[in-house]
Amino acid sequence: DADVTQTPRNRITKTGKRIMLECSQTKGHDRMYWYRQDPGLGLRLIYYSFDVKDINKGEISDGYSVSRQAQAKFSLSLESAIPNQTALYFCATSDSPRGRGDEQFFGPGTRLTVL
Amino acid sequence: GESVGLHLPTLSVQEGDNSIINCAYSNSASDYFIWYKQESGKGPQFIIDIRSNMDKRQGQRVTVLLNKTVKHLSLQIAATQPGDSAVYFCAENWGGGSQGNLIFGKGTKLSVKP
Repeated sequence: DADVTQTPRNRITKTGKRIMLECSQTKGHDRMYWYRQDPGLGLRLIYYSFDVKDINKGEISDGYSVSRQAQAKFSLSLESAIPNQTALYFCATSDSPRGRGDEQFFGPGTRLTVL
Repeated sequence: GESVGLHLPTLSVQEGDNSIINCAYSNSASDYFIWYKQESGKGPQFIIDIRSNMDKRQGQRVTVLLNKTVKHLSLQIAATQPGDSAVYFCAENWGGGSQGNLIFGKGTKLSVKP
């Protein structure tokens, strides 16, 4: 979905490096999410944000941090990358419950490899 | 903790046949359920959703059935086509609807044979 974009699309880095993944959306949604996807484990929530001043930890937040720079931008950082953070990362957005509600719209994903 | 799961990790069907993908959930407080399709190299895409006050909802070639008694969700795809080949995820909304957080199942891979 071109309304949700992620950069970079692919990244290879080394253990201990700081990495930032960026997400932008043009849907005008208040809510944004970061997930990681591992084979056989489905999608797991890392962090989510219901508006610019709201940040919440998800199921697997350890080793990650986020920044909601604006309504349209939500970045995910790995302060010191480790190999088990090798995964496919997805950003998603959703409207508030007063709008469409719970449906989440996903970006194309970022494939991160930590050597 | 409670989680969403799937009965079948893989499903292979003949083109033109109907497909049924199943999902079990265990959180009785969930009031919203959604099915996503993920093609190789792409992000998940919305297929259809259903709220807990309904037991059936139909879309174009797809139907979602919700059985709250046994906490079971299914996705039916009519006249399956090669383009339906993908991984399908069910997800449930925790937090009584206002939280907006989705908990995803592990996915079922659907392969359509021509």
